[in-house]
Amino acid sequence: DVKVTQSSRYLVKRTGEKVFLECVQDMDHENMFWYRQDPGLGLRLIYFSYDVKMKEKGDIPEGYSVSREKKERFSLILESASTNQTSMYLCASSWDSGTGAEAFFGQGTRLTVV
Amino acid sequence: GENVEQHPSTLSVQEGDSAVIKCTYSDSASNYFPWYKQELGKRPQLIIDIRSNVGEKKDQRIAVTLNKTAKHFSLHITETQPEDSAVYFCAKATGANNLFFGTGTRLTVIP
Repeated sequence: DVKVTQSSRYLVKRTGEKVFLECVQDMDHENMFWYRQDPGLGLRLIYFSYDVKMKEKGDIPEGYSVSREKKERFSLILESASTNQTSMYLCASSWDSGTGAEAFFGQGTRLTVV
Repeated sequence: GENVEQHPSTLSVQEGDSAVIKCTYSDSASNYFPWYKQELGKRPQLIIDIRSNVGEKKDQRIAVTLNKTAKHFSLHITETQPEDSAVYFCAKATGANNLFFGTGTRLTVIP
């Protein structure tokens, strides 16, 4: 079974803190994604990566950065957390099949910024 | 942006009836269209997908249709059951590496 693991299930941080969300997958997937999920807004893509050290912006990259130093690990960084970044964050990974493939999701990290 | 519009946002059906959810997109380069189901408190999981060279795909009670000319695709669930109650997301990809989702449809199947 594919396993995508996010480092924390729940996280509470203060405004202005630097926050790291970690995601690890064990299936040697090329692609990794970070989404935030908010009621009524669906899953919005923040960043994705198709290879080590490669990254592409999604629809809402402002206020976020990412790091992919190893193939299995994709980190989401909030440089200076703000209350409007309170959300559920989901990581996912998939094969690079050339034409799209199933994405496997982590269990999610519910981040609260106070 | 990579908008995928999804309708309706909520849908209630009687057990045994059919449910249809529709998504539209704007770019012609999209070539992969998956559907995900998210049960309460759980992670999204793929239930069916379709590629741009196919017009329809079926898997037991669920089917997906794609109209590339009109840029819309739909999920059809027949003979709905209470365990079909969940949030459903459509998605699209352009090439192999990205994946953009719609806003979701909360389906409630009334026993």
